[in-house]
Amino acid sequence: AQKITQTQPGMFVQEKEAVTLDCTYDTSDQSYGLFWYKQPSSGEMIFLIYQGSYDEQNATEGRYSLNFQKARKSANLVISASQLGDSAMYFCAMSAYNFNKFYFGSGTKLNVKP
Amino acid sequence: EPEVTQTPSHQVTQMGQEVILRCVPISNHLYFYWYRQILGQKVEFLVSFYNNEISEKSEIFDDQFSVERPDGSNFTLKIRSTKLEDSAMYFCASSEVAREQPQHFGDGTRLSIL
Repeated sequence: AQKITQTQPGMFVQEKEAVTLDCTYDTSDQSYGLFWYKQPSSGEMIFLIYQGSYDEQNATEGRYSLNFQKARKSANLVISASQLGDSAMYFCAMSAYNFNKFYFGSGTKLNVKP
Repeated sequence: EPEVTQTPSHQVTQMGQEVILRCVPISNHLYFYWYRQILGQKVEFLVSFYNNEISEKSEIFDDQFSVERPDGSNFTLKIRSTKLEDSAMYFCASSEVAREQPQHFGDGTRLSIL
């Protein structure tokens, strides 16, 4: 069975510093996708970054990068140069091989301190 | 930028009543999804829909739930006989294709069962 684990319920980071949010996953599928979403206090879900299981390069999108270690089954999100607006809940998610079913982790609440 | 719209933003219903949550996915998207997020908990996959039929559904999506695309634009989630534990935020999402494309989420409908 597929499973996503986020072990950090809450994180603090100083403004302008980098922060890593952990995500590990478990699947028997050979092909799968890994996603990160941001959920501000207003409640909407905002897509941040995607990594395919066959992608050899780590995905990057602006200040977001995904540290993908396939052998360790981890897909950590790295946010560089944190901003106050980065304070939010962050969810790691995994899609099954056919990308028709998705699994979310329990989330990490990030607080950026001025 | 096109977006997924959900109505209503908040629905209050008596236990045992039927409720229909409505979504208008992005117009050129082909894959549609419903998710549920109980307050303070993780996002849970309910169902995916493609080509006018259910692609995948989770264990949560039992006979109480149904989805429909009644016309070319709307995508609905019906809960037949609501229970207290159905109180949650319900998110609709859509994507252009299933593989490696982000799902665009609506702002959610907060369902409160009394």
